[in-house]
Amino acid sequence: DAGITQSPRHKVTETGTPVTLRCHQTENHRYMYWYRQDPGHGLRLIHYSYGVKDTDKGEVSDGYSVSRSKTEDFLLTLESATSSQTSVYFCAITQGEWYGYTFGSGTRLTVV
Amino acid sequence: AQSVTQLGSHVSVSEGALVLLRCNYSSSVPPYLFWYVQYPNQGLQLLLKYTTGATLVKGINGFEAEFKKSETSFHLTKPSAHMSDAAEYFCAVSDQNTGGFKTIFGAGTRLFVKA
Repeated sequence: DAGITQSPRHKVTETGTPVTLRCHQTENHRYMYWYRQDPGHGLRLIHYSYGVKDTDKGEVSDGYSVSRSKTEDFLLTLESATSSQTSVYFCAITQGEWYGYTFGSGTRLTVV
Repeated sequence: AQSVTQLGSHVSVSEGALVLLRCNYSSSVPPYLFWYVQYPNQGLQLLLKYTTGATLVKGINGFEAEFKKSETSFHLTKPSAHMSDAAEYFCAVSDQNTGGFKTIFGAGTRLFVKA
């Protein structure tokens, strides 16, 4: 969607390797989120950020870390990828709680 | 903590028929509620939201939803289904935390529209 981009769009990686996904926004929104989407589970929150260097864990944060050194970028790192982390990852941004989210197009990650 | 339950992982309707997708939430405070739609191989798109005020909210593509506090429900409806409505729909509720907030999503309902 306009104003938010995710990279890469697709990635295949081997078990045990580190992987970094990038979310970039041009909207200057304060809040950024990483979700993973798996069949039957909807979207589950991994980590989120409410400002530069301010981050917090979501419900499925184990095995993931994040960094936000500037407003426009929110990085998600899989420290040592496992097959259970094969998923579609979505980044989302918002100005505030009542606005709703704008989502990126997603990153399809396959861990083999 | 907030939670969202969507009744029915799959719903099938005929073209021109009423669409009803059910959503119930749990919340200890007045919630902000949302419906999102996801088309194949795309991200989610905001369909409509309830924040305050009128309990019947209208969204894009002819959809609407009614907030019923007594029933803790926020069901999504459309009077007449179109083939282009076939997608997955997610109900969501906002959950406040110290320093920020997050949105909790239901598991999703896939809508099939038959010709």
